[in-house]
Order: sequence, then structure tokens, then C-alpha cells
Amino acid sequence: QVQLKETGPGLVQPTQTLSITCTVSGFSLTSYYMQWVRQTPGKGLEWMGFIRSGGSTEYNSEFKSRLSISRDTSKNQVFLKMNSLKTEDTGVYYCARNFDYWGQGVMVTVSS
Amino acid sequence: DIQMTQSPSVLSASVGDRVTLNCKGSQNINKYLNWYQQKLGEAPKLLIYNTNNLQTGVPSRFSGSGFGTDYTLTISSLQPEDVATYFCFQHNSWPTFGAGTRLELK
Repeated sequence: QVQLKETGPGLVQPTQTLSITCTVSGFSLTSYYMQWVRQTPGKGLEWMGFIRSGGSTEYNSEFKSRLSISRDTSKNQVFLKMNSLKTEDTGVYYCARNFDYWGQGVMVTVSS
Repeated sequence: DIQMTQSPSVLSASVGDRVTLNCKGSQNINKYLNWYQQKLGEAPKLLIYNTNNLQTGVPSRFSGSGFGTDYTLTISSLQPEDVATYFCFQHNSWPTFGAGTRLELK
């Protein structure tokens, strides 16, 4: 069955870089777009960006300058990296297959 | 970006009630509208995609309708397990979510 699971650091200091891994099973990354969505107290649910089945990416202009999405198809993993973190980046980060199946999310707190 | 406005922000209803949740886009979204249910501490769950298509496994008491800028999620007979926050989401252009409607039991 389709499964997605995010893993990440939990706590990140301001100005540092966030790295989250989404590990999937039950489908191929070369057949589906993979999305990243976050949910913050300040802005609710926000689409961050996606990586297409072919490997190209698109980003929400809100994050474009500091966000990077990549993947390793041999490991069935998708990666999110976002730099210059601020306290308002605190929230839950989700990966999703298209927008149908979602991971459980990973809570990220940005604090010194 | 297309802004999605949901109403009401909070809805109280009784078990068995017919419940209607609304979502309005700032421009035409051509029926590229999904509805999600989110229970406390869980990820959003897809209920309806592209306005009126029921996701596999979702109870038939959920239905969606709409066109242009205005869309509706209807629960035909509210059940206790339907207590949750419901989000609309457009993917006609760069994706955006509504702020949600919190559904409570009266």
C-alpha cells in the first residue's frame, strides 16, 4: 500500500538549514509528482513546492530563494532543504504524493 | 495567487444534520478544487477531488459541488467521527488552501 514518512531534526536554530527526508513505498517516484506542504500557526496550510515525476521542480515564490527539493529514486526518497530559517517557519512539514496521499508530517521548531 | 475563503470558520451541528461548508476562490478555479478533512494531530485526508469526485474509501455521505469561484462540501447526515477541520484547496494554478472550517458537535 501507499506509504509516506517524513523524518527530520525536530529543533533547528534560527538562520540554520532545515533538512527533511520523505521515504515512500507502494509506488514509484518516477510516476508521480511529490509535493511539500507545511502547516504553521501563522499561515495555516501552505504549498511549498513539488518535484515532477521527471525530476524537475517548481517552488512557491514565497520560498523560492531558500528552498530546494530533490530526490533519490533508488532509495525512494524525496528531500526538502530550506535555509535561513526563522521562528515563523515553526510548524508541521508534510510530503504528499500529488495531493492524494500524505505522510504523517514532522514537527519542526525553529528556536535558539 | 488565488485566495480561497472558507465559510463559516466554525460550524456547530447535531448528529444526523445535513451540513454545508463553503469555499470561494478569488478567481475561477475551473473545478480544480479538493476537500480535505483534518482531525487533531493527523495529516489532512483527501475526501473529494476536482469538485465532486469521492476519494476511494470515503463514505458516500460526503459530496461536493460547484463551479467557477464557488464550491460546497456537503455531509448528508453528520456522524460523530466527522468532527474535524475541513480545508478546501485549489490546484488550477499555483496551489493554495483555504483557512478551514472547524466542524463541532452541538
